[in-house]
Amino acid sequence: KQEVTQIPAALSVPEGENLVLNCSFTDSAIYNLQWFRQDPGKGLTSLLLIQSSQREQTSGRLNASLDKSSGRSTLYIAASQPGDSATYLCAVIGNTPLVFGKGTRLSVIA
Amino acid sequence: GAVVSQHPSWVICKSGTSVKIECRSLDFQATTMFWYRQFPKQSLMLMATSNEGSKATYEQGVEKDKFLINHASLTLSTLTVTSAHPEDSSFYICSARGLAGEYQETQYFGPGTRLLVL
Repeated sequence: KQEVTQIPAALSVPEGENLVLNCSFTDSAIYNLQWFRQDPGKGLTSLLLIQSSQREQTSGRLNASLDKSSGRSTLYIAASQPGDSATYLCAVIGNTPLVFGKGTRLSVIA
Repeated sequence: GAVVSQHPSWVICKSGTSVKIECRSLDFQATTMFWYRQFPKQSLMLMATSNEGSKATYEQGVEKDKFLINHASLTLSTLTVTSAHPEDSSFYICSARGLAGEYQETQYFGPGTRLLVL
C-alpha cells in the first residue's frame, strides 16, 4: 500500500528566504507526482505535476524534483512571500487512486 | 486543462437530513471518480472509488449505507450523505480520472463542498 510522508509538518520562515519541502513515497511504481497548495478552508490548487519519466518541473518561483527510484520529491520555493503561506500537499498516482501526504503548513512572515 | 465542478459549494443542514453532492467532469469523460473527505487540519482521505455503471468501492471504515455513491454516467457522480449527523461535517472533494492518456494518468479535482450539520 502506497504511503506518502511529508517533512516538515510545519515551517515558518521570514520573507525572502528560499525553502525546500520534502516528500517521500514507498511504492516507486507511480504515473506521476503532484504538488498542491491548499489555503485554509479552500480546495486544492495544482502547482506542479511531474510525470514518472521526468526529473523536475518548474513554474515561476517553484521547482519540483522527482527521484522515483529513491521515492523522493522536493518542492523548492525561491524568494518566499507572505502570499505563499498555505498548506502544501504532495500526492502520487499509480495503479491506485491518488494518495496524499499530510502536508506541510508553511508560514512566511513579513 | 480538465475541469471538474462540484455542487453545492456550501451546505448547511439539520441533523437527520440527507444531502446530495454532485460532481461533474465538464470537458472529458471520467471513467473513474473518487470521493475524498478532509477534516480540519488533516489531509485528504479517500472515501470511495466509483467506476461508471458499477458499484462503488469503499475504503475501510467508510459506511456504504451512509455515503451513497452513484456514478450513472461518464460525466456525473453523486455522493449522498444519508441521515447526516454533526460528525459528518467535513470538506468533501471529488476527483475524476479519464479514459486514456493524460486524463488516465492524472486525477482532476473539484473545488470541494463544505458540509455543516447542525
